[in-house]
Amino acid sequence: NAGVTQTPKFQVLKTGQSMTLQCAQDMNHNSMYWYRQDPGMGLRLIYYSASEGTTDKGEVPNGYNVSRLNKREFSLRLESAAPSQTSVYFCASSEAGTGAYGYTFGSGTRLTVV
Amino acid sequence: QKEVEQNSGPLSVPEGAIASLNCTYSDRGSQSFFWYRQYSGKSPELIMFIYSNGDKEDGRFTAQLNKASQYVSLLIRDSQPSDSATYLCAGGSMDTGRRALTFGSGTRLQVQP
Repeated sequence: NAGVTQTPKFQVLKTGQSMTLQCAQDMNHNSMYWYRQDPGMGLRLIYYSASEGTTDKGEVPNGYNVSRLNKREFSLRLESAAPSQTSVYFCASSEAGTGAYGYTFGSGTRLTVV
Repeated sequence: QKEVEQNSGPLSVPEGAIASLNCTYSDRGSQSFFWYRQYSGKSPELIMFIYSNGDKEDGRFTAQLNKASQYVSLLIRDSQPSDSATYLCAGGSMDTGRRALTFGSGTRLQVQP
């Protein structure tokens, strides 16, 4: 009963390096989300996928790309990491992409860009 | 101005007291509200949701919604030290054009033994 699984849990990158954060859910949810959480700023939406085959920008999409690989998996890519992308990243999923359902969150990825 | 506003706290209450956490929202299109608890270094965990005006109770937790005042609250009765965490309020809409929740910045609750 894994729920939402994120990898890796911790990562340190040098400025300019690239990496992909992986997220998979086993609850047959339609919608998946990527948020970043910074001190004092709460959770800010980066990208979301309301259903398989669709992706949309959120509040802070610059510097990121996403791929909804299939219904289970939704990855977040940093093409050229910057120190401003140091944050905790959470993946989440829900049954449907409206406010009718709450989210289940993954355990998070702590990313430091030096 | 953020769409969902919370006092960052910390809110400090003694063990056994009622903790009252508040949230206001600016978008009248918001129809559903969620309260998440987040322990330090952990991910948010859904504890309550409310869609209708009035109160909704679940164990020691009561969520209150007043759409006219655009106000949501979470009451925690008989507060325990284990309730010490950050509480996030989130608003959403059934409108299919709005497909993600908007989160407040969270209120840190400290329950003193």
